[in-house]
This record gives sequence, structure tokens and C-alpha cells, in this order.
Amino acid sequence: DTAVSQTPKYLVTQMGNDKSIKCEQNLGHDTMYWYKQDSKKFLKIMFSYNNKELIINETVPNRFSPKSPDKAHLNLHINSLELGDSAVYFCASSPPGLAGAYNEQFFGPGTRLTVL
Amino acid sequence: KQEVTQIPAALSVPEGENLVLNCSFTDSAIYNLQWFRQDPGKGLTSLLLIQSSQREQTSGRLNASLDKSSGRSTLYIAASQPGDSATYLCAVKDYGGATNKLIFGTGTLLAVQP
Repeated sequence: DTAVSQTPKYLVTQMGNDKSIKCEQNLGHDTMYWYKQDSKKFLKIMFSYNNKELIINETVPNRFSPKSPDKAHLNLHINSLELGDSAVYFCASSPPGLAGAYNEQFFGPGTRLTVL
Repeated sequence: KQEVTQIPAALSVPEGENLVLNCSFTDSAIYNLQWFRQDPGKGLTSLLLIQSSQREQTSGRLNASLDKSSGRSTLYIAASQPGDSATYLCAVKDYGGATNKLIFGTGTLLAVQP
């Protein structure tokens, strides 16, 4: 029933490990996003994919690699985790359309990553 | 570079009060502005979406206004309830290519006291 789902909800891991977060949407949307929310609650976009093609790649370390196997899924893989990677990661999706008015974004529940 | 700021950072009001949350942005060339609500440990819920050509949008006890020329938006909540307690975020979608990139404000943490 959930529109945008993420797994896991919580992730606790040691520095240096590699981990993945998965996102799925059943809304039929073409575009998916990853956002990072830091400890001060500031939300910033990391990546966006449209029909499996990367269209936004903000200044994010190349340890972060998004993968979109199909347009309903956008996974985030993080190599060599660092303390500063601790944050809440949100996935979102939006319907197809021109870069205009109605591309409302729908967010998942978030994945809280804690790096020890 | 677009920057979005929200004032106040935190607000506590007694139940029943009307209140206003403020959002300002530095570049008026926006497609639209969206207000979200975030509950602790949960994702974002879209509340209102205002197109750049609109002045306001209403949904129930919520009314959002947009003044593009001055780079401001307000979210008015009437007759506040404890269930309104949450973090409220505004976000703007810039012009600039075909991307659907949202730039978020810093958020206002609202507590409505019963």
C-alpha cells in the first residue's frame, strides 16, 4: 500500500563498511531522488534519476553510487562509510512531465544511518 | 545560488491560536513553492503546492501565500491543534533546465501545547 518505501528504516554500521539502502515506488513515477537530511534537519538533494538515467548529481563524494535497475527502484550504495555520513536519507519520486508546475514530489519514510 | 530560509526556527503556541510560519528565498525565478510537514522519525508529507503564477493556496485550516517579487511565502495555520506539532519545511523549485530539483529551507519546529 505504501507509495514510496525504503529499506532498511534504521542502519547502524562501523566506519569503513559498505552499505546499501533500497527505495521502491509503486506510483508509476518516472523520476526518483535521494536526499540527505543532516543533524540540523537540513535537507539537500544528492541525486535524481529519470527513467533510469542520472539527471542530477550534486557535489557528493564518489563513495556514494546510486543505481536504478528500473524506473520503480533507486538504490543508494555507500562505500567506505565515514562518521560524517550519519544522517537520514530520504528517497522521493515525482510523476513525468515538463520541468514545470506539477511535478510534486512524494517522499519515503527515510533511513536513519548511524556510522560508529 | 538559491537559498531558502525559514523563520522562526522553533515556535511554541497554546492550542487554538492562529499562527504564521515564514519562508524566504533569494532568487525569485522559481517554478513553484511547496510546504511540507515532517513528523519525528517519518518522511515528508506535502501540504500545499503553490505555482509561481498563484498568490495563495488553501487546504482546510492551512493557507499558504506566495509573493515572488519579494521572495516570501507564509503558511497560516488557523485554530492550531496539538496534532499540528511537527517540523514544517518549505521548498522551492528553481528554473534552470529540465531538472525537478527542490531546494529546502531550514525548517520551523512547531509545538502546539494542549
